[in-house]
Amino acid sequence: KQEVTQIPAALSVPEGENLVLNCSFTDSAIYNLQWFRQDPGKGLTSLLLIQSSQREQTSGRLNASLDKSSGRSTLYIAASQPGDSATYLCAVRLAGGSYIPTFGRGTSLIVHP
Amino acid sequence: KAGVTQTPRYLIKTRGQQVTLSCSPISGHRSVSWYQQTPGQGLQFLFEYFSETQRNKGNFPGRFSGRQFSNSRSEMNVSTLELGDSALYLCASSFGTLGDGYTFGSGTRLTVV
Repeated sequence: KQEVTQIPAALSVPEGENLVLNCSFTDSAIYNLQWFRQDPGKGLTSLLLIQSSQREQTSGRLNASLDKSSGRSTLYIAASQPGDSATYLCAVRLAGGSYIPTFGRGTSLIVHP
Repeated sequence: KAGVTQTPRYLIKTRGQQVTLSCSPISGHRSVSWYQQTPGQGLQFLFEYFSETQRNKGNFPGRFSGRQFSNSRSEMNVSTLELGDSALYLCASSFGTLGDGYTFGSGTRLTVV
């Protein structure tokens, strides 16, 4: 059974710092991995989707990398801003699986001015 | 293009009542997945509908049911509500293939009193 772990569970940083959020998964036979952001009480907003054949995806200040062999993905946030404060979740879809992705519990990020 | 629409946004119900939540996916998407999110349990998968058929099901009691219509809109029903059913209910829309990513709605906040 695929397990997805996100470390750290919570992070508080001053504005302007570059951040790395981690997502680890136990089964490397994945089809894709998706990073989401969730603001309190709201739905999940998709940030980046990485297919298994890709090594990284970029969108603005965000960069997500994927290393299937080590079972890890990292989300890099450059020059963090208070508006980046949210919970970040990763979701992993197994190749040949049931199609339903496995979610991590998320990293709660606070960026203070 | 229009996003995923969930209605209503908020609901307050009494124990023992039943409730129906609605989700309209992105045009062209054939898969709708439902999730329950609580602070203690995180995101838990309820079920997925694809082309009007339940394709995957999570580990929830039979009080939780759903359906999907020919226009891909989906409804979720919870009967005999319990206090523990208080949660944010999220639906996710996709084309329904392995290479997809999810697009989530804003959620329905259900409070059972």
